[in-house]
Amino acid sequence: DGGITQSPKYLFRKEGQNVTLSCEQNLNHDAMYWYRQDPGQGLRLIYYSQIVNDFQKGDIAEGYSVSREKKESFPLTVTSAQKNPTAFYLCASRETGGGSPLHFGNGTRLTVT
Amino acid sequence: GDSVTQMEGPVTLSEEAFLTINCTYTATGYPSLFWYVQYPGEGLQLLLKATKADDKGSNKGFEATYRKETTSFHLEKGSVQVSDSAVYFCALSPNQAGTALIFGKGTTLSVSS
Repeated sequence: DGGITQSPKYLFRKEGQNVTLSCEQNLNHDAMYWYRQDPGQGLRLIYYSQIVNDFQKGDIAEGYSVSREKKESFPLTVTSAQKNPTAFYLCASRETGGGSPLHFGNGTRLTVT
Repeated sequence: GDSVTQMEGPVTLSEEAFLTINCTYTATGYPSLFWYVQYPGEGLQLLLKATKADDKGSNKGFEATYRKETTSFHLEKGSVQVSDSAVYFCALSPNQAGTALIFGKGTTLSVSS
């Protein structure tokens, strides 16, 4: 079945450490996205990529970095510069045509202590 | 800029009650509109969509009509079930290539038997 795989489902890190969240898709979608979800705040866009080797900052990119070396993969690194990294992170992809819906992975819950 | 506003929850209903979750939007041009559903600990799933004015999206008994004149896309269901308990997100896709979806803050629905 085609879909988006995020791993791991739960991740624990100590403050000051960088951590990388994995996102892989086999839907052959060009565009991929990272959102952060906090209680009561909905989804906020971190980074997105329309094509391999290109990506754009979203609304809350500070303290995060991404790469897009392959069409299937869009890993997100949460750096030690991110002030409040504990959150639920969602990866998504879609075709680049207008009106195309997003397809989401099942998320990674990151806890930093 | 473009934005989505949806009614705040939680919405608490008894089984078989009628459901309405309001969603209004601000956008230039003619965006596509979506409703997503999120069950606890999971990613978002597309529930329905509409890509032009007066379109009605429907799925699993849920419906929403794209109303350009009132810039609204309210979600309705005639008879809710306990299994419909989840968080519902309204979203729009701006009519511009290379842009990300914009989400409302979500509405929590709780249905009791």
